[in-house]
Amino acid sequence: EPEVTQTPSHQVTQMGQEVILRCVPISNHLYFYWYRQILGQKVEFLVSFYNNEISEKSEIFDDQFSVERPDGSNFTLKIRSTKLEDSAMYFCASTPAPGNTIYFGEGSWLTVV
Amino acid sequence: AQSVTQLDSHVSVSEGTPVLLRCNYSSSYSPSLFWYVQHPNKGLQLLLKYTSAATLVKGINGFEAEFKKSETSFHLTKPSAHMSDAAEYFCVVTPFRNYGGSQGNLIFGKGTKLSVKP
Repeated sequence: EPEVTQTPSHQVTQMGQEVILRCVPISNHLYFYWYRQILGQKVEFLVSFYNNEISEKSEIFDDQFSVERPDGSNFTLKIRSTKLEDSAMYFCASTPAPGNTIYFGEGSWLTVV
Repeated sequence: AQSVTQLDSHVSVSEGTPVLLRCNYSSSYSPSLFWYVQHPNKGLQLLLKYTSAATLVKGINGFEAEFKKSETSFHLTKPSAHMSDAAEYFCVVTPFRNYGGSQGNLIFGKGTKLSVKP
């Protein structure tokens, strides 16, 4: 079965450093998402992306965050200057069309020290 | 506004006994409701979904859930637990018109960790 793949699985970074989390959505999917889960808290929506632009973003997704689809396969989340509170599991997800199942990746653990 | 409450953070059952994971939701619109499961070191996998068709929804691995509008509930059940069911389960809600579309703002519950004893 096709999968959403994410790299790295775990990254440790120093506060203030830039981080890029990478995702390869399922190949025929058109809608892409990032979610995050801080340890012990709910999974939270960050951003959705369709047709090469952001469709919706949450209050969490401030100017420190950006997303990009640099080529036909990758979908990246960049955190420009990481803060301790950015430590979380980040999930990428994709779906082919509205009403279809949203498929999630295995997540990328980000630890900011 | 939409929200979802999972009433138990941890449920422990013995293998072969029934499973009940409780979920209540709040939604201003006709909701779509889902259960996702996350096994250790794995991604979120869709178990089942309700999108305004039959109120009793069957999912993978023998799980099912019943949408009860009068009780605003969408509890997950399984008649007989298996060791492989040990995982974290998330109840998720979104307005039907938004699901999977350009917005895709899934709202997750806090999760229920299911333990299965031999």
